[in-house]
Amino acid sequence: DGGITQSPKYLFRKEGQNVTLSCEQNLNHDAMYWYRQDPGQGLRLIYYSQIVNDFQKGDIAEGYSVSREKKESFPLTVTSAQKNPTAFYLCASSGFFGVGETQYFGPGTRLLVL
Amino acid sequence: AQSVTQLGSHVSVSEGALVLLRCNYSSSVPPYLFWYVQYPNQGLQLLLKYTTGATLVKGINGFEAEFKKSETSFHLTKPSAHMSDAAEYFCAVSLKTSYDKVIFGPGTSLSVIP
Repeated sequence: DGGITQSPKYLFRKEGQNVTLSCEQNLNHDAMYWYRQDPGQGLRLIYYSQIVNDFQKGDIAEGYSVSREKKESFPLTVTSAQKNPTAFYLCASSGFFGVGETQYFGPGTRLLVL
Repeated sequence: AQSVTQLGSHVSVSEGALVLLRCNYSSSVPPYLFWYVQYPNQGLQLLLKYTTGATLVKGINGFEAEFKKSETSFHLTKPSAHMSDAAEYFCAVSLKTSYDKVIFGPGTSLSVIP
């Protein structure tokens, strides 16, 4: 089955630690996205990638970093500079990057701070 | 600035009753419009999408939405609620700004009372 996988399902971060969230898709999509979801709020865009080896900052990129070395993979690193990282993180992909494209979502990773 | 509002952060309906979830957007250009559903601790799943053409859009699980340009609305309805409809629902718009982006509303949590 084609889809998006995210791992781990739950992730715990200690103060000062960098952690990496995995996102893999086998939909052959060019574009990939990372969103942050907080209770009672909509999704906020962290980073997006239109194509391999390219990525752009979204609305709340500070304290996060990404890479896009392979078409199917778009890992997100939450750095120690992100002071409030507790949230639900969603990865998504779309066939290409453009207005009106449907985004398909992974199951999410919940990040908690110890 | 472009935005999406969803009236009512929480809606309760009885099983078998009409479901009406409201979405209004602000945009100076015609947007593409989406409704997504999110079950607890899961990613988002596309319910339906409006691009162009017929303003009444039918989606999965018996949901439909009508695009009303004059009212800048895209309300989601279902004639008869089922227990399995209990979830969080997000309205989203896709439009071209400084980059092609999707703006999500804050979400409406739907409860279905037996």
